[in-house]
Amino acid sequence: DIQMTQSPSSLSASVGDRVSITCRASQGINNYLAWFQQKPGKAPKSLIYSASTLQSGVPSKFSGSGSGTDFTLTISSLQPEDFATYYCQQYNSDPLTFGGGTKVEIK
Amino acid sequence: EVQLVESGGGLVQPGGSLRLSCAASGFTFSSYWMHWVRQAPGKGLVWVSRINSDGSSTNYADSVKGRFTISRDNAKNTLYLQMNSLRAEDTAVYYCTKVSHSSGLNWGQGALVTVSS
Repeated sequence: DIQMTQSPSSLSASVGDRVSITCRASQGINNYLAWFQQKPGKAPKSLIYSASTLQSGVPSKFSGSGSGTDFTLTISSLQPEDFATYYCQQYNSDPLTFGGGTKVEIK
Repeated sequence: EVQLVESGGGLVQPGGSLRLSCAASGFTFSSYWMHWVRQAPGKGLVWVSRINSDGSSTNYADSVKGRFTISRDNAKNTLYLQMNSLRAEDTAVYYCTKVSHSSGLNWGQGALVTVSS
């Protein structure tokens, strides 16, 4: 199985800050890497797929980058609605595997 | 707009059975592989099972192999998860997901399964 290592596990930031979250795959995944956001009690919301393609309707303050085994999610200017937990996921091969999550909290 | 709507969750005793359904709309259901993913309370996401577009190929996590069965009815645009011999550790929110290399991922709203006596 492909292991996804996500860091940091949590971070504190202020409104307006630029934040980045990284994800490393244990082997190449052909850039089949997705990022999604989850708020308490809610379903995951897809943000990015294919490492850098914005899902329809997602604001451009979210961006994804990287290739091979190392990937990054960047939020350009944190807003109150962005405080949530973010996950990466590889969908190159079964089983789908997920990073452990990054909880973004208000400083 | 892609919509995935799960149903069939609830409270079941250990050893019992439950069948989840996922009604799909807004895309050509018969063209896509589908997955079930679950999330135990306060925990991360874990893949459960996958089925290919025509239902001829399936795959399962070791933790559910032999107890869960994934299936689909392309005429009804519906994905299923039959869960037998349920255990306390199967307690989770179950999500159906559409995964496409070309168009990304879509998630349902989830169905809560609670296994408890």
